[in-house]
Amino acid sequence: QKEVEQDPGPLSVPEGAIVSLNCTYSNSAFQYFMWYRQYSRKGPELLMYTYSSGNKEDGRFTAQVDKSSKYISLFIRDSQPSDSATYLCAMEGPPGGAGSYQLTFGKGTKLSVIP
Amino acid sequence: DTEVTQTPKHLVMGMTNKKSLKCEQHMGHRAMYWYKQKAKKPPELMFVYSYEKLSINESVPSRFSPECPNSSLLNLHLHALQPEDSALYLCASSQDLFTGELFFGEGSRLTVL
Repeated sequence: QKEVEQDPGPLSVPEGAIVSLNCTYSNSAFQYFMWYRQYSRKGPELLMYTYSSGNKEDGRFTAQVDKSSKYISLFIRDSQPSDSATYLCAMEGPPGGAGSYQLTFGKGTKLSVIP
Repeated sequence: DTEVTQTPKHLVMGMTNKKSLKCEQHMGHRAMYWYKQKAKKPPELMFVYSYEKLSINESVPSRFSPECPNSSLLNLHLHALQPEDSALYLCASSQDLFTGELFFGEGSRLTVL
C-alpha cells in the first residue's frame, strides 16, 4: 500500500460546480497536510496548509482533515475555468518522527473546469 | 514577497556539458530544497539545505551537485547527465526544516540530449 493515495482523474466538471478532491494515507504520524495547485509546466503553488484534524477555509477553497479516518479533502466552490490544473495533496510528519523533514505527495488529480 | 525565482527557465545540454541551475528567495527562509519532477508524476525530493548546510541527500547520483552559497541562494550543478535526467527541476523554500509550508519556484525545464 502506498503511503498516500490520490485518484489521478482526470476530473471534468462544469463551471460553477462544487469540486471534491481527496487523498487517503497510511502513516498515522503525518501531522501537516497541504494542497498544492500546479498549472501545466509550472511549479506547484501552495493553496492550503492545515495542522492536525479540522477544517480550514480560504475564499472558495475548504480543506478538511480527518485523522481518525486518515482522509483529507479539498473542496472548491463555484469552480472556474482558471481552476483547471493538477491538484497535489502532500503530508509531513512531526519533527524527528516518521515522515518528517520531507513532503510525501499524492500523485495529483488533474481537474478541468469546462465553461 | 513570496517568490522563489529559478533560472534558467529552460536548459538544453549535451551529456558532456557542465551547467548550473540557480534559485533565489528573499523571504528569510532557512530551509531550501531541490526537487525533480517527471511528467505526470509528483515532485521527488533530491536535496535539502537547512541553515546553509546539507541536511538530506536522497541518494542522488553524484552527477548532481548542490551548493548553498548563502541563505538566499541555492545552486544545482550538473555534469555528465543522462537523457533520463530530463525533467522539471523545482526549487522550494520553507521558514524552517519541517514547517510543511513549502513555496516552490516555477522550475527549470531540463532536456539532456
